[in-house]
Amino acid sequence: GQQLNQSPQSMFIQEGEDVSMNCTSSSIFNTWLWYKQDPGEGPVLLIALYKAGELTSNGRLTAQFGITRKDSFLNISASIPSDVGIYFCAGQLRAGNNRKLIWGLGTSLAVNP
Amino acid sequence: ETGVTQTPRHLVMGMTNKKSLKCEQHLGHNAMYWYKQSAKKPLELMFVYNFKEQTENNSVPSRFSPECPNSSHLFLHLHTLQPEDSALYLCASSRNGEGETEAFFGQGTRLTVV
Repeated sequence: GQQLNQSPQSMFIQEGEDVSMNCTSSSIFNTWLWYKQDPGEGPVLLIALYKAGELTSNGRLTAQFGITRKDSFLNISASIPSDVGIYFCAGQLRAGNNRKLIWGLGTSLAVNP
Repeated sequence: ETGVTQTPRHLVMGMTNKKSLKCEQHLGHNAMYWYKQSAKKPLELMFVYNFKEQTENNSVPSRFSPECPNSSHLFLHLHTLQPEDSALYLCASSRNGEGETEAFFGQGTRLTVV
């Protein structure tokens, strides 16, 4: 079945450092989504990417849709303590009018103040 | 009011109990979803409702029974659950429900089956 490889699995960084995480797959996706989940909460959509090569920013977050449509990365610049959480990628496949998401296992981020 | 509200936040139930999870969305969306989130596993889609009609059932055991009385409310009725059903159950909504798309999630119900 389709899988997403999300890496790294976890990161422990100092406040102020930049962070990079990525998702790769053997499948070709139409859309990439990046979510963040805080402890005890549901995932919140951070960035959605719709075209190969697209580079989109949301504040200190930047994400790119890979040219091959098989990968995506998320960068966080100048990390702060509230960036702590689990970051999930999801790739969307389309078959006619039906769409399906393939989810990564998440990258757990810890920030040391 | 938050966008997608789930109750209860936490639930402990015995294997012979019957309970229900509730979800309400205030976003004017037409599609609602139930997901199961377990440790070390990708998020699992359980059910999709689009304009109150179930459009997807991802081979979910019959001990989970969804109900969608209108586009704003979604329930998940639970009975005769197993310990392996313990997980975070997330409700989500989106503007339309042609399968899975960018969705807004609730805070989840942490379910423990004892």
